[in-house]
Amino acid sequence: DAKTTQPPSMDCAEGRAANLPCNHSTISGNEYVYWYRQIHSQGPQYIIHGLKNNETNEMASLIITEDRKSSTLILPHATLRDTAVYYCIVRTGSARQLTFGSGTQLTVLP
Amino acid sequence: ETGVTQSPTHLIKTRGQQVTLRCSSQSGHNTVSWYQQALGQGPQFIFQYYREEENGRGNFPPRFSGLQFPNYSSELNVNALELDDSALYLCASSLGQWETQYFGPGTRLLVL
Repeated sequence: DAKTTQPPSMDCAEGRAANLPCNHSTISGNEYVYWYRQIHSQGPQYIIHGLKNNETNEMASLIITEDRKSSTLILPHATLRDTAVYYCIVRTGSARQLTFGSGTQLTVLP
Repeated sequence: ETGVTQSPTHLIKTRGQQVTLRCSSQSGHNTVSWYQQALGQGPQFIFQYYREEENGRGNFPPRFSGLQFPNYSSELNVNALELDDSALYLCASSLGQWETQYFGPGTRLLVL
């Protein structure tokens, strides 16, 4: 699976949009971009995933660049409960496992 | 719909002992994957069970073993516990081998 690069930490003001970047410059055509988050000492929570097109669900939006070498997870109106470590994972369609990196610690400030 | 559940939530063992952790998959999910998360690190893949058979393993020794039952629930067994086995053990279920994985709350194991 392709390697991902994320900033180690970010802050965001409550009520504002949180934009979390992820670089995956070696991604191949059959690899999906997945986002999970992990609130302290809990199990990771699935957020969203996509292949080529932008995706949106009730939690977030995923914007993938046209060359697929980077993506951005957008939490439209961040709340204090969104404070967590966010993991960007690239996974082939035939990969059984998720390979987690270090993630981004997002802190939402009041 | 019930999500993924794990038991126990916390466990303390001593070095050399054996431990069994349990996972109930989400309704309709036939695949269970296990991960180990050491303090301050991301989860590491241990293995996956699909239709009661081990279906892929990460870089973990044979003393880590598992089972999956006909109802798709699963157990993770660790023999000859070492201090470095202290970690959060996570179970994730999915509709199939390559589908989106949904995680349980984890079992925190402390080996003394």
